[in-house]
Amino acid sequence: GAVVSQHPSRVICKSGTSVKIECRSLDFQATTMFWYRQFPKQSLMLMATSNEGSKATYEQGVEKDKFLINHASLTLSTLTVTSAHPEDSSFYICSAGSPSYEQYFGPGTRLTVT
Amino acid sequence: ELKVEQNPLFLSMQEGKNYTIYCNYSTTSDRLYWYRQDPGKSLESLFVLLSNGAVKQEGRLMASLDTKARLSTLHITAAVHDLSATYFCAVQNAGKSTFGDGTTLTVKP
Repeated sequence: GAVVSQHPSRVICKSGTSVKIECRSLDFQATTMFWYRQFPKQSLMLMATSNEGSKATYEQGVEKDKFLINHASLTLSTLTVTSAHPEDSSFYICSAGSPSYEQYFGPGTRLTVT
Repeated sequence: ELKVEQNPLFLSMQEGKNYTIYCNYSTTSDRLYWYRQDPGKSLESLFVLLSNGAVKQEGRLMASLDTKARLSTLHITAAVHDLSATYFCAVQNAGKSTFGDGTTLTVKP
């Protein structure tokens, strides 16, 4: 299957700082990428849909000024958590949509805000 | 608003037994996915079901889709310990995927 990478895999940051997470589609061009958040023992919640060359579409309740998404190329989308707080600690997962309708998920980034 | 309900949420079964996980959804969908998630890991794609009556099988897992009933099933045949994981169904509509709450499967010897 297709490969999607995320970097970093784990990050610990202090409250009030910003953290950038990269999501790369390694072997196909993804016009659309998705960002999810997963709290322990819970399901995945879609945060936003990232379209190459245009503004991201955020789900209700997700602050677009706090979670900045940039999809600068067909293989790279970034999520920046600005002014992070402990309640932002979570597992962040990106996925890339392929032309064959499948979604390929990255390995996830575990963010801990102290 | 699209709602996706999975049941059961927790499933403990013995090796060698069969069982079915159910996924109901509330509105029409473009396609339905099944994923596996191991603890601390991301999602692994198992199946994508595109049309009514679709059936796909991989090893001991078989997924089916009934769009009229808005129901998908994931059937486990002769379970083995390696199948222990959390299984999610997800329904895609207009490009967005909505996930069920997941079924945590534990297969015991």
